[in-house]
Amino acid sequence: GDSVTQMEGPVTLSEEAFLTINCTYTATGYPSLFWYVQYPGEGLQLLLKATKADDKGSNKGFEATYRKETTSFHLEKGSVQVSDSAVYFCALYFRGGTLGRLYFGRGTQLTVWP
Amino acid sequence: EAGVAQSPRYKIIEKRQSVAFWCNPISGHATLYWYQQILGQGPKLLIQFQNNGVVDDSQLPKDRFSAERLKGVDSTLKIQPAKLEDSAVYLCASSLDGRRGNTGELFFGEGSRLTVL
Repeated sequence: GDSVTQMEGPVTLSEEAFLTINCTYTATGYPSLFWYVQYPGEGLQLLLKATKADDKGSNKGFEATYRKETTSFHLEKGSVQVSDSAVYFCALYFRGGTLGRLYFGRGTQLTVWP
Repeated sequence: EAGVAQSPRYKIIEKRQSVAFWCNPISGHATLYWYQQILGQGPKLLIQFQNNGVVDDSQLPKDRFSAERLKGVDSTLKIQPAKLEDSAVYLCASSLDGRRGNTGELFFGEGSRLTVL
């Protein structure tokens, strides 16, 4: 069935370091792909999305490109900040008929030190 | 625009007791979801409503969990009786009409953290 495999954490970086969090997926058809973020004490919120192959989603300096050939949607940021410390979830949305379902990865905890 | 409201934020109960969580989605959102997030795991869908009808409850443990959305607006999730393994954060989310135009952008509440002793 449809699923998302996400890089295990935790990830600890110094401020201004480069970030990559890997995400690969298994799906039939053509899903939409998402990164959601959960800041401490807050609910999940959408960070970025891509709805078709080769699309690049971007927001707040984060980017991810929908790669159909490698079934991947890796999250990247060139220079992380302390405020980026959060849990990041890769997610896949697949619609079967009229019903759509959002599948989440396990989440990757990111801690950025000053 | 007000976000998704959930209550209570925290609840501690003993096993075999019952608990109920409430959710009020964003105004105008037809689709409402309840997710269970166990520590160290990603959220898992329990039930999905389209207006006041259930469209997916395939992963809801129906022997102990129930949910309703009687008027197609707010919703209640109940667990009775609770087990230790039900300790988790229960997330409510809403989105625009799930039948068309929805590409998976959900709006989440802050969650209700349940601890079962």
